Amino acid sequence: RKEVEQDPGPFNVPEGATVAFNCTYSNSASQSFFWYRQDCRKEPKLLMSVYSSGNEDGRFTAQLNRASQYISLLIRDSKLSDSATYLCVVTGTTDSWGKLQFGSGTQVVVTP
Amino acid sequence: DGGITQSPKYLFRKEGQNVTLSCEQNLNHDAMYWYRQDPGQGLRLIYYSQIVNDFQKGDIAEGYSVSREKKESFPLTVTSAQKNPTAFYLCASSGSRVFPSEELFFGEGSRLTVL
Repeated sequence: RKEVEQDPGPFNVPEGATVAFNCTYSNSASQSFFWYRQDCRKEPKLLMSVYSSGNEDGRFTAQLNRASQYISLLIRDSKLSDSATYLCVVTGTTDSWGKLQFGSGTQVVVTP
Repeated sequence: DGGITQSPKYLFRKEGQNVTLSCEQNLNHDAMYWYRQDPGQGLRLIYYSQIVNDFQKGDIAEGYSVSREKKESFPLTVTSAQKNPTAFYLCASSGSRVFPSEELFFGEGSRLTVL
């Protein structure tokens, strides 16, 4: 079983609609969680961190469910520019420095 | 502007040849990383370095080598021992060497193709 799993998609979303997707992780001791965005053939860039209480950044909302071991990302009022692959990133325990675990990404395609 | 510069962006190599990918950062970051990304897969850690003159193997270090002689530089050599070297290679840095910081800053990547 992979340590971090994501639905690869693609999620085809009409412009202006809402899309949400999850990422599950296997290490219950994981401490930090992030969403990165990666455009086609480009480098990943941090979209947002995921806090225990949930957090929002404009049209993006991230949530953490420790009991079920997943994080989620919701995008409201989707824009064409939101088309990208969204990578879930989970860190291990303090004993595993450098051990960021990347999911393989969820592709989102926003259509006019 | 501060950032990470990787070169070359595209590289073609014949089987049996070693190749070195450059990674330079001017962010004054202590920690640097090399990742490999294959199509439809997540990033996999090759090597990382918390501080100058020190580096550690990641999950897929076999067939690769690195050095960290300067804070700004963390070159990666893909040796002929690497069985399947064709991939997208990403260098990253972070400001924390105590624990992975909240943000990794990535270079634009180097796309290696073995002919």
